[in-house]
Amino acid sequence: EVQLVESGGGLVQPGGSLRLSCAASGFTFSSYWMSWVRQAPGKGLEWVANIKQDGSEKYYVDSVKGRFTISRDNAKNSLYLQMNSLRAEDTAVYYCAREIEAAAGTSDYWGQGTLVTVSS
Amino acid sequence: DIQMTQSPSSLSASVGDRVTITCRASQGISNYLAWFQQKPGKAPKSLIYAASSLQSGVPSKFSGSGSGTDFTLTISSLQPEDFATYYCQQYNSYPPTFGQGTRLEIK
Repeated sequence: EVQLVESGGGLVQPGGSLRLSCAASGFTFSSYWMSWVRQAPGKGLEWVANIKQDGSEKYYVDSVKGRFTISRDNAKNSLYLQMNSLRAEDTAVYYCAREIEAAAGTSDYWGQGTLVTVSS
Repeated sequence: DIQMTQSPSSLSASVGDRVTITCRASQGISNYLAWFQQKPGKAPKSLIYAASSLQSGVPSKFSGSGSGTDFTLTISSLQPEDFATYYCQQYNSYPPTFGQGTRLEIK
């Protein structure tokens, strides 16, 4: 059974940093693109970033470029999102997701999400 | 960025009904279109990818069609568990973008 479990969310002040983690199990982690998708309270879904199987390619939505860094450790079956210079508009539930085999950019399995709140 | 527009934004229907949700892309995306279902407080669930391919385990009451800029999600014989918010997403080009969502409510 595919499982994705996020952790690391919490309350952080504007300008602060946070590192999210996602522990994957039930599939060969190193064979899949992985991504982060977020959802602000009461709002729709926003794709944030993704990373290729070997980490050689990474893509970001413009609003987080230069502030967020996606990474992975295939030996630990783990995905990460380092978030710096956080802003109030980054407040959201962040989901870790496995991308489909057929094409990067969309996902078939999602974690339960971790809430990030940016507030003073 | 490619803009995805869903219609309607909300929809009321009864158990047993058949409903259709439309998604329009601001430019052609071939068939790189996915549909998701989300219930309150839960993670999204993937229903369809490549416009019409059903994800494993998703019942055949869900069907998708379209290509280019216009797409539809049809749900037949609505059951109580189908009432949720539905999102389309294009993954033809970066960044992947979602529609604003369609809230399907019980009439």
